[in-house]
Amino acid sequence: DAGVIQSPRHEVTEMGQEVTLRCKPISGHDYLFWYRQTMMRGLELLIYFNNNVPIDDSGMPEDRFSAKMPNASFSTLKIQPSEPRDSAVYFCASSPRTPRGGYTFGSGTRLTVV
Amino acid sequence: GQSLEQPSEVTAVEGAIVQINCTYQTSGFYGLSWYQQHDGGAPTFLSYNGLDGLEETGRFSSFLSRSDSYGYLLLQELQMKDSASYFCAVRDPRDDKIIFGKGTRLHILP
Repeated sequence: DAGVIQSPRHEVTEMGQEVTLRCKPISGHDYLFWYRQTMMRGLELLIYFNNNVPIDDSGMPEDRFSAKMPNASFSTLKIQPSEPRDSAVYFCASSPRTPRGGYTFGSGTRLTVV
Repeated sequence: GQSLEQPSEVTAVEGAIVQINCTYQTSGFYGLSWYQQHDGGAPTFLSYNGLDGLEETGRFSSFLSRSDSYGYLLLQELQMKDSASYFCAVRDPRDDKIIFGKGTRLHILP
């Protein structure tokens, strides 16, 4: 298994532009999570899906953020318009139903908004 | 609400043993997990404790006491490659969300 695949690895964009981050979870995993990591705030859960259905988006900071999971093998996180304070590393993770499985994280997307 | 507390930094010597503590306050509890993250890398799952007691995996062990809302990660025979950040995390059975602590940065001296 190739693990959780995220793209792009790095993204530099200008303030006001739309940014789309992509994630392919591990096949057969029921859960998909989007996290944001910064030095100040650590790992923050933004949103998660169970069987492609958004369950909790209370961590999404603003309406500028949106996430979709059109099928079991693909999810996107979109920021429109982007702002410098959105600069962070965004991780996607997937998990099987049983808690012992733990999360498998993707390599992350380092986003820089200038 | 849920919160996890762990030290921000710990320093130890190569070859030694180090313990990283974690205390938690959660409305629900499904077990305590530990993750390792190297600089520039992604968190990787290390261990899970669903029941009280010690779980051992090679040089790493993890302990849980549910009555004390406390756990720790024990790293033995420290190697330079163990320099990383270590996160404890709890999973809430009500919604399956995992909440992470702020992480403990482990510095290893030669």
